[in-house]
Amino acid sequence: QQQVKQSPQSLIVQKGGISIINCAYENTAFDYFPWYQQFPGKGPALLIAIRPDVSEKKEGRFTISFNKSAKQFSLHIMDSQPGDSATYFCAASGGGGTSYGKLTFGQGTILTVHP
Amino acid sequence: DAGVTQSPTHLIKTRGQQVTLRCSPKSGHDTVSWYQQALGQGPQFIFQYYEEEERQRGNFPDRFSGHQFPNYSSELNVNALLLGDSALYLCASSPDLAGAGEQYFGPGTRLTVT
Repeated sequence: QQQVKQSPQSLIVQKGGISIINCAYENTAFDYFPWYQQFPGKGPALLIAIRPDVSEKKEGRFTISFNKSAKQFSLHIMDSQPGDSATYFCAASGGGGTSYGKLTFGQGTILTVHP
Repeated sequence: DAGVTQSPTHLIKTRGQQVTLRCSPKSGHDTVSWYQQALGQGPQFIFQYYEEEERQRGNFPDRFSGHQFPNYSSELNVNALLLGDSALYLCASSPDLAGAGEQYFGPGTRLTVT
């Protein structure tokens, strides 16, 4: 019930294209869904996050789409750039009280953007 | 404004030894969480500290222990190291317990057990 499943494992897009990464969760108590970007040798950096009271959130070229009934959420990167090449992780937390502190991560997606 | 800092950057230990990793949270943050990230995997939650107490714990054995100091900095201790403990250990801080989902990660400590 605590799993977050992420796909695809790897993704190759051309510069200027749209990158789409999908995640599915099982625990209906989850109510906070962040996306992290990680470069080699670095810690994950918080990109954008959403709560289930909205179906979409956009920040610059990054958009989260959230489907509560399907228990799925996705990250869209518009106008993908070579500098976006990194590993992306979805995560989820929630369930009340101290449970907000426990982020459950997906397995990650290695994104490569070709110039 | 300094972000989350961790020390050391890299560490090599031998099986059976003990190790201590350190973390200073982002300014204004009082909640610290620790994660283990194996190569090619997502981070796995170890435990979380708030007000110098362990508030939550993931599925890790008692060999993993921690501490939080009055200045909110934290330590992760691992005893009786196993080869499988080789990983990137990440510290994350958040503004408070209620908002603890919004976590900011440090660069990590790369632990190699030989």
